[in-house]
Amino acid sequence: AQSVAQPEDQVNVAEGNPLTVKCTYSVSGNPYLFWYVQYPNRGLQFLLKYITGDNLVKGSYGFEAEFNKSQTSFHLKKPSALVSDSALYFCAVREGRLGNNDMRFGAGTRLTVKP
Amino acid sequence: DAGVIQSPRHEVTEMGQEVTLRCKPISGHDYLFWYRQTMMRGLELLIYFNNNVPIDDSGMPEDRFSAKMPNASFSTLKIQPSEPRDSAVYFCATFIRGNTEAFFGQGTRLTVV
Repeated sequence: AQSVAQPEDQVNVAEGNPLTVKCTYSVSGNPYLFWYVQYPNRGLQFLLKYITGDNLVKGSYGFEAEFNKSQTSFHLKKPSALVSDSALYFCAVREGRLGNNDMRFGAGTRLTVKP
Repeated sequence: DAGVIQSPRHEVTEMGQEVTLRCKPISGHDYLFWYRQTMMRGLELLIYFNNNVPIDDSGMPEDRFSAKMPNASFSTLKIQPSEPRDSAVYFCATFIRGNTEAFFGQGTRLTVV
């Protein structure tokens, strides 16, 4: 079964600095990879996805992520962090083949951006 | 579309009582997932449906948990009897077959006292 690891429980960055939230995955086939953000007392909101094609994908709010097949990673990045980016971030993987559509999430990484 | 709708938003119940959580998926979405979120265990997949049929319920923690999807526009997650360790936020998420992202409801915060 597919799985996701987010090695950092917490990431702290200063406003204006670049941020990276790490994610590695494990699937037996081709991965569909997703990033979601969760604000307090809210559901998860979709940020971006990688399905196929260009390894660098761009999403909402200036976020981007790079798919690296050899390292089985899909790290989330943003060139300049905002205080309002502070939230809980989840990486998710789904196996890209017919018949297997369960979606697994990492444990989440709490991002804190300090003024 | 109003998105994925979950009810109730909050539920407080006494240990031993039956609890039913409800989800209305986005129209046309043929996959529906139930997740449970806790501080200790993160976001756990409990069960998912495709075209109203349960596909994988291996994440359902115990026989006290059951889920149904009687039609394409409604699903329930039932806990009977409830226990304090069931306290969590329960999310429903839906998507269309293929390479699309899932959309989440606002969740139901369950507290069992």
